[in-house]
Amino acid sequence: AQKITQTQPGMFVQEKEAVTLDCTYDTSDQSYGLFWYKQPSSGEMIFLIYQGSYDEQNATEGRYSLNFQKARKSANLVISASQLGDSAMYFCAMRETTGGFKTIFGAGTRLFVKA
Amino acid sequence: EPEVTQTPSHQVTQMGQEVILRCVPISNHLYFYWYRQILGQKVEFLVSFYNNEISEKSEIFDDQFSVERPDGSNFTLKIRSTKLEDSAMYFCASTLQGASTDTQYFGPGTRLTVL
Repeated sequence: AQKITQTQPGMFVQEKEAVTLDCTYDTSDQSYGLFWYKQPSSGEMIFLIYQGSYDEQNATEGRYSLNFQKARKSANLVISASQLGDSAMYFCAMRETTGGFKTIFGAGTRLFVKA
Repeated sequence: EPEVTQTPSHQVTQMGQEVILRCVPISNHLYFYWYRQILGQKVEFLVSFYNNEISEKSEIFDDQFSVERPDGSNFTLKIRSTKLEDSAMYFCASTLQGASTDTQYFGPGTRLTVL
């Protein structure tokens, strides 16, 4: 079974609009971390936002917020006021306590921001 | 802001040759990792390293691969006899500790091309 599922291979959003990138995960651990990374065309992996499994509040970092629904095992990334520079690949990822602390990545969603 | 660095940014090699990819993790981090990303595919875990020994490795990390921390700052990945299918982006990452809640910070990657 997939540990991290990103069902949207590609998404389009109009500049200045908000967009939600979906992510569901599968784990039996009680303690785990959820992460989103951005990968622009240049290839580097840029950390965006983190949500801990015990955090009751949804994480926010500037224009990024994470809609964490623990019971549904979802951790969607919301980007508000999209900018052209947000066009990139976005990866949802998880680290589990029993998983040796390696990061497991989803397949990614490619976001295109239209002017 | 501290960052993970990797050299070279791009390495071209002939099949069967040995390559060494170099990384300098964030200076106070204790856990180090290598991942690879074949073009257009998801990021895959290779190996984690702590206290001068491998703590976990994936099925991909076979006898052709080895890691080393030759001094107090560098962390290297060696591929002994490269194959065409080793062509990928290789990312080094580090974390302060090994908890599932720790964010892994990634280097900019080394693009390996095997001809």
